[in-house]
Amino acid sequence: EIVLTQSPGTLSLSPGERATLSCGASQSIRSNYLAWYQHRPGLAPRLLIYDASDRAAGIPDRFSGSGSGTDFTLTISRLEPEDSAVYYCQQYGSSPPTITFGQGTRLEI
Amino acid sequence: QVQLQESGPGLVKPSETLSLTCVVSGFSITSASYWGWIRQAPGKGLEWIGTVYHYGSTLYNPSLKSRVIISVDTSKSQFSLRLDSVTASDAAVYYCARGPALNSNWDSYFDYWGQGALVTVSS
Repeated sequence: EIVLTQSPGTLSLSPGERATLSCGASQSIRSNYLAWYQHRPGLAPRLLIYDASDRAAGIPDRFSGSGSGTDFTLTISRLEPEDSAVYYCQQYGSSPPTITFGQGTRLEI
Repeated sequence: QVQLQESGPGLVKPSETLSLTCVVSGFSITSASYWGWIRQAPGKGLEWIGTVYHYGSTLYNPSLKSRVIISVDTSKSQFSLRLDSVTASDAAVYYCARGPALNSNWDSYFDYWGQGALVTVSS
């Protein structure tokens, strides 16, 4: 099973700054099948990025994903107060197939 | 507009069975999609429970596999979760979600989610 480790655990930044969130995998993720979600309290998780770098529909271009193999990054530029949330990475490219989430990074604006 | 709505008892007694249903609207449940259940225990992160394809084939989290059954009823455009022998550690918000079937290998992220159903385990 692929284990995803996210860092940092908590990130505190100011509006207008840039956030860099990391997700490391215990083994290479096939086809870079990695997604990022934003989860605000009381709401459903929201897909931000899939296939490591493709933005989901309706997601602002302030959100970008990069990386390959075992190291992936979510970058949020020009932070806004509503970006405060927990961000999760998820892999869907393991053999045998299974789905795992990282433990999350809490972003405080 | 794809919508998913979870329903089921909000309170389950220890050792009993948790049952939840997710009704899908605005999208065909028989489309090339995977339908999944994910949960979040209080103060914890997201945990994938399992996924079903409309043909009825399933993939489960190995840590829950012995207690989980996910099924689909295409005539009602819904899929269901059954979790046996629950304990306090099964208390969580349970989400149903949809993912595109990228291939036949169960590879999928989740692009549409229900609002979540809170399940408490207590006698």
